[in-house]
Amino acid sequence: KNEVEQSPQNLTAQEGEFITINCSYSVGISALHWLQQHPGGGIVSLFMLSSGKKKHGRLIATINIQEKHSSLHITASHPRDSAVYICAVLYGNNRLAFGKGNQVVVIP
Amino acid sequence: DSGVTQTPKHLITATGQRVTLRCSPRSGDLSVYWYQQSLDQGLQFLIQYYNGEERAKGNILERFSAQQFPDLHSELNLSSLELGDSALYFCASSTGDIQETQYFGPGTRLLVL
Repeated sequence: KNEVEQSPQNLTAQEGEFITINCSYSVGISALHWLQQHPGGGIVSLFMLSSGKKKHGRLIATINIQEKHSSLHITASHPRDSAVYICAVLYGNNRLAFGKGNQVVVIP
Repeated sequence: DSGVTQTPKHLITATGQRVTLRCSPRSGDLSVYWYQQSLDQGLQFLIQYYNGEERAKGNILERFSAQQFPDLHSELNLSSLELGDSALYFCASSTGDIQETQYFGPGTRLLVL
């Protein structure tokens, strides 16, 4: 059983739409990362959260520790947001577990 | 450009062989992390080094080993290679420990034939 589950697996949106992707985890964590992987393969760290909410440009990440759930919101989506978004949790003795990713496609 | 460099970009080798992947972290970063990404397993954490010492260990096989040198660059050694080791291997670095933002290198694509 994977400690980290992401949904939806695939999402297609029209440019300008508001997008939400979700990450649920089953272990007690000390931090959660959202990563973005573009079609070329490169990975960028978007956020690291241990509580509350963070915002960077059009991206907002929230976490609810009690419900073991995090969401990544993309406002005014753009084709350049097309990527795989990967959730990773830090738990136990510096153990990192990854979800399978959310594939997001934004159509012009 | 994250500032993390990895060499080589691509590597093709045969089963049973041994390869070494190299990573140079961002200037000033003390931690280096290694990850494996395969189509069926997704991204997996292998190992972390902090200032030359092993700090955290993930799903790293016994056939794999890593080290971080005094100049902070790191090498990942993969031996007795199997077809299933074909994957993208990423290195990342951070200023401090595992709870900090990591900066990823472009990856090394390994194909074992």
